[in-house]
Amino acid sequence: DVKVTQSSRYLVKRTGEKVFLECVQDMDHENMFWYRQDPGLGLRLIYFSYDVKMKEKGDIPEGYSVSREKKERFSLILESASTNQTSMYLCASSFPQGSTDTQYFGPGTRLTVL
Amino acid sequence: GQSLEQPSEVTAVEGAIVQINCTYQTSGFYGLSWYQQHDGGAPTFLSYNALDGLEETGRFSSFLSRSDSYGYLLLQELQMKDSASYFCAGLAYNTNAGKSTFGDGTTLTVKP
Repeated sequence: DVKVTQSSRYLVKRTGEKVFLECVQDMDHENMFWYRQDPGLGLRLIYFSYDVKMKEKGDIPEGYSVSREKKERFSLILESASTNQTSMYLCASSFPQGSTDTQYFGPGTRLTVL
Repeated sequence: GQSLEQPSEVTAVEGAIVQINCTYQTSGFYGLSWYQQHDGGAPTFLSYNALDGLEETGRFSSFLSRSDSYGYLLLQELQMKDSASYFCAGLAYNTNAGKSTFGDGTTLTVKP
C-alpha cells in the first residue's frame, strides 16, 4: 500500500523559530511536493522536487526552503517562522507518468506559529 | 502560470447527480485531475484526463474539453459519504518536471 508520512500532525512554534517539517514516502517516487492549505484558498504549491537534490519553486516559495538529500525524504524548512505561516502543510509524491498525474498525499501537519 | 476556477459550494440530495465544473487558464497545459478531501483528511486522487472526452470510474466520471479549457466532475447516485471538498488540478510541464496547480475547491454537501 502506498504511504506518505509526515513527521508531526500538530506543531506549535514561536515567531522567529526555525521549523523543520519532514515527509517520507515509500513508493520510490521521483516527484515530491510541499503545499500549504488555507481555508478558501485550496492547495498552494510551495516547492517541489523532481529528483534527489533537485528542487523548483512553486507559487509561494517566499519564507520557505527545502531539502532533498535522499529520494524518499523531502523536508520543508521555515527559516524564521512568522504568524502568517500558520497553516496546514501537506506533502505529496508522484511517479512521473505521461498518462496520469496521481499524487499521493500525507496526512498533513497543522502548524501554529504564536 | 495557471489559474483554475470552480464553484465554492454545491448542494444536492442523496441519489441525485451533481456536476462540478472547472475552467482553467494555463500555459503548457497537459491534463486535468480531480481530488476528493473529507474534513480533516488528506486529498485523495479521483481521476485524470489528458485527452478530450469522458472518463468513467464507477459512480464518478470526469470530462475534459481542451478547446474550451473546461472540465467537470460528475457524481452519480450521490451518497452521504460523498459530502467533501473536490479540487480540480491542472498539470503543466516546464523543462524539468510537471507540477499541478489546484483550484480553490468545491464543497459538496449531500442532504438526505
